[in-house]
Amino acid sequence: DARVTQTPRHKVTEMGQEVTMRCQPILGHNTVFWYRQTMMQGLELLAYFRNRAPLDDSGMPKDRFSAEMPDATLATLKIQPSEPRDSAVYFCASGLARDLSAATEAFFGQGTRLTVV
Amino acid sequence: DAKTTQPTSMDCAEGRAANLPCNHSTISGNEYVYWYRQIHSQGPQYIIHGLKNNETNEMASLIITEDRKSSTLILPHATLRDTAVYYCIVRAVNYGGSQGNLIFGKGTKLSVKP
Repeated sequence: DARVTQTPRHKVTEMGQEVTMRCQPILGHNTVFWYRQTMMQGLELLAYFRNRAPLDDSGMPKDRFSAEMPDATLATLKIQPSEPRDSAVYFCASGLARDLSAATEAFFGQGTRLTVV
Repeated sequence: DAKTTQPTSMDCAEGRAANLPCNHSTISGNEYVYWYRQIHSQGPQYIIHGLKNNETNEMASLIITEDRKSSTLILPHATLRDTAVYYCIVRAVNYGGSQGNLIFGKGTKLSVKP
């Protein structure tokens, strides 16, 4: 049963601490999305990777957020230092893009619920 | 700027068809119409997508008007488990760059009632 796996599922941390969220894309997928969801803003796209290279990270606050793909089986989203306004559910999604096209379908993980106190 | 407009909420009786409308009057010729849904506390789930022809799969049907300025997602026999937020999205799939981004709006909260 192929699925996107996100860890941790829940994280509570103090303001100023570093937070790292991890995502294991579905094996063979070459596209990864990171989203943040809050009640006020809904689902916001933070970053979009293809073949481990960032295609678009314009939605990500650059001063404290960073997203990387150390290898094809792991994507990370890091916040340093964290702030209470970063509290949200963070979703990772993966898809398979063929040729020059975008992935036609994105499969989402269950999300990481982050609370910064 | 939102590319799609959807009603904020809708109700549907269990067992009846749920018809969810979406307006996308500024859609470009290379943009597809996608539908996702998000059940409470879960990640979004792909439902269906189409370019200009009507599409059907095991989950739903997608009806796109001839001018492509609007579409309707049809759940033929809604169940209580179909209660979710439904998102209509337009995106240019044939480009691998940022035009292929999957941008979510506010969606329609569908409540299926017994």
